[in-house]
This record gives sequence, C-alpha cells and structure tokens, in this order.
Amino acid sequence: DGGITQSPKYLFRKEGQNVTLSCEQNLNHDAMYWYRQDPGQGLRLIYYSQIVNDFQKGDIAEGYSVSREKKESFPLTVTSAQKNPTAFYLCASSIAWQPQHFGDGTRLSIL
Amino acid sequence: AQTVTQSQPEMSVQEAETVTLSCTYDTSESDYYLFWYKQPPSRQMILVIRQEAYKQQNATENRFSVNFQKAAKSFSLKISDSQLGDAAMYFCAYRSPMNYGGSQGNLIFGKGTKLSVKP
Repeated sequence: DGGITQSPKYLFRKEGQNVTLSCEQNLNHDAMYWYRQDPGQGLRLIYYSQIVNDFQKGDIAEGYSVSREKKESFPLTVTSAQKNPTAFYLCASSIAWQPQHFGDGTRLSIL
Repeated sequence: AQTVTQSQPEMSVQEAETVTLSCTYDTSESDYYLFWYKQPPSRQMILVIRQEAYKQQNATENRFSVNFQKAAKSFSLKISDSQLGDAAMYFCAYRSPMNYGGSQGNLIFGKGTKLSVKP
C-alpha cells in the first residue's frame, strides 16, 4: 500500500543535540511538507519542498533544517538552535491539486 | 496573507444528533480549496471533506457535509447522526492552487475544534 512513513514514533533530544526525523513516501508525490503541532496552536508549517533539490521556509523555520535529495524522502533536522523543540511533528505530501496526505507523526521531547 | 479562524475551541454533541463546526477564512484570492481534517486521539490526520471554491454546490461525504458561503468566507462542517467514533479534533484548512516556485499549495490551518460525543 502507498503511504507516508515517519520514524521514529517517539524521539528524545538532549541539550545541545541535533536530531533528525525521517519522512518517506511511496506515493510518487512531488511536494512534501513538515508541520509542527503544539497544544492549542493547530499545525504550523516549518518547511516545504515542491521538487527534488529545492525547498522553502515555512512560517517557523528557525532552528530547523531539511534536505530533499530524493523524491521519496524529506528528512527534518531539529538543531540545537531550536530552543523549544518539544512538539508533535507531522510530515505530509501531495501532488497537483490533490489533498495532502499525512504520516502518523513523531513526538519529540527534551530529556 | 490568508488566515483561518475556528471560533469554537470545544463542542459537544449527543450520539445520533447533528452538530455544526464553524470556520471562517480571510483571502483575497478567488480560486482556492478548503478542507476539513479530523485528528482522533491517535494523532493521525484524516481528510474528512474538501471543497473547491469555484464549485457552488456544497460537498457531501456520507454523514459529513459543508455549508460553503464564498461571499461570507465561511466554511462550516455539519456532522449528522453523530457517532462515538466522530470524537476528535477537527481542523479547517485553506489552500491556494498549486503552482511551482511559490507558496501556493501550502495548507493554512485553523487552531481546531475538539468535538466530544456523548453516548
């Protein structure tokens, strides 16, 4: 079955550490997105990529970095510059005018 | 910039009854898409229904229907015959048409409405 796989499901970060969240899709979608979800805040866009080797900052990109070397993969790195990384992270993908499909998310916490 | 507002942080409905969730948005665009997503306790985002702005007919998916008022920039979700499994967070979202090289295609979400269903 086609879908979006996010891993790990739970992740813990130590002070000063960079961590990487994985997002893989086999839907052949061109566009991929990363969202952050905090309680009472809804979903906010971190980064998005509409084609391979190209990506754009979203509304809250500071402290995060991404890469898009393959169509199927769009990993998100939470750097030590992100002072409040505790949140639920959702990856999504889409093609043309179709709705975005979402992964099951990764919950990141600080140790 | 586009914004999406959900004015009801929480709603409650009795099982088998009908409930309407409100959503308003602000945009200067004439062509766009609107969505309702459901997020149950599992945190998975599930598409409930979508509406293209150029279509005057309101979208319907089984027990879910929308009241799309383009001039008023309103997009409410009606859930009929509510079931216990409908309990979830519901998010309204706006999206511009998809064009490469711009920010179009990104979803803008409201803050959500938490729906409880009483047996």
